[in-house]
Amino acid sequence: AQSVTQPDIHITVSEGASLELRCNYSYGATPYLFWYVQSPGQGLQLLLKYFSGDTLVQGIKGFEAEFKRSQSSFNLRKPSVHWSDAAEYFCAVGVRGGGGNKLTFGTGTQLKVEL
Amino acid sequence: DTEVTQTPKHLVMGMTNKKSLKCEQHMGHRAMYWYKQKAKKPPELMFVYSYEKLSINESVPSRFSPECPNSSLLNLHLHALQPEDSALYLCASSQEGGQGNFYGYTFGSGTRLTVV
Repeated sequence: AQSVTQPDIHITVSEGASLELRCNYSYGATPYLFWYVQSPGQGLQLLLKYFSGDTLVQGIKGFEAEFKRSQSSFNLRKPSVHWSDAAEYFCAVGVRGGGGNKLTFGTGTQLKVEL
Repeated sequence: DTEVTQTPKHLVMGMTNKKSLKCEQHMGHRAMYWYKQKAKKPPELMFVYSYEKLSINESVPSRFSPECPNSSLLNLHLHALQPEDSALYLCASSQEGGQGNFYGYTFGSGTRLTVV
């Protein structure tokens, strides 16, 4: 079965600093990988996704992620964090199935931005 | 229209009440989903509908009853819930209905449910 690990429960960065959120996955085949962001009390917004091809994917809000098969990782990065980026970030692996496609989420990383 | 709309945004219900959560999308997506999210936890899959048919039930108690009247609507009927069922209930939809590439989900903003 597929699984996702986000090793960092909380991360605090200063506004303007760079950011990297870690994500490791476990899945037997080439995975569909996603990063979502969730503001308090809100739904989840898709930041970016990886299916195949170029291992560096660009997303919305200046985020990017790099797929590294050898490390089973899909880390999220942003060169300069804004105060509005403070939120919960979830990495997810998608599995296609005959009964429907399923997203399995990691436990999330809470990002705090210091002004 | 690129949104998933959920109503109501907040719901307080007693343990003997019957209520329903509603979800609507007009993106032509043929798969729809219910997720449950407890505070400080990731979303957990409850149900998957593919082409208006229930395709996945993640061993959810029968006090939760999903319904998909058409390709744009998804309901979650609630009856005899327990206080531990209090959570954020998220609806999502996706472009494919079981086969083909997986483009990810579009989520609604959720219904905050409190069972008293």
